[in-house]
Amino acid sequence: NAGVTQTPKFRILKIGQSMTLQCTQDMNHNYMYWYRQDPGMGLKLIYYSVGAGITDKGEVPNGYNVSRSTTEDFPLRLELAAPSQTSVYFCASNSGQGAYEQYFGPGTRLTVT
Amino acid sequence: AQSVTQLDSQVPVFEEAPVELRCNYSSSVSVYLFWYVQYPNQGLQLLLKYLSGSTLVESINGFEAEFNKSQTSFHLRKPSVHISDTAEYFCAVRGVYGGATNKLIFGTGTLLAVQP
Repeated sequence: NAGVTQTPKFRILKIGQSMTLQCTQDMNHNYMYWYRQDPGMGLKLIYYSVGAGITDKGEVPNGYNVSRSTTEDFPLRLELAAPSQTSVYFCASNSGQGAYEQYFGPGTRLTVT
Repeated sequence: AQSVTQLDSQVPVFEEAPVELRCNYSSSVSVYLFWYVQYPNQGLQLLLKYLSGSTLVESINGFEAEFNKSQTSFHLRKPSVHISDTAEYFCAVRGVYGGATNKLIFGTGTLLAVQP
């Protein structure tokens, strides 16, 4: 099992550009999450999904969009990149109700200049 | 709603010395508590968790944490650290009756820097 995979590992965007951060898990987990990690701020939840076709906002959703068409994939879209979106993005998954551990991907380091 | 406070952003320690990383939480309901570890340039991994029962929980690599309900704390300890323990450690909390989301609230992290 690969677990949770994320692509790309690194990306530099210009202000106003758009991109999609990919996240795939092969554990058949129903729940998936997107976090951003900023120095000294810990992890903040951007969006989450409890199953295919079901998504909801987390703490910091502004400037992002998500979709969940399959159990395996949970892409995060930045439509108009801004310097404030410079961060490290982590995707995580969890098998669902009654499960405690979240499994994290290796992260995508995004710089917006 | 829950919140987590990790007051120490960085803890330098010499190899083979003991260490304690502090975590305090706030919640109006019963909680589950977690410590995650992030090694350089990697994602987070679960280190240990408290769900119920014994208030002292241990990891396979010698860390332990004690749930103290009266002090709303879940401090992480290790009696003798190794260079390989250098990492960022995150405390996280979740309400026991957190609904159908299993969302975690993370602290701001503590960088454990082990020096030879």
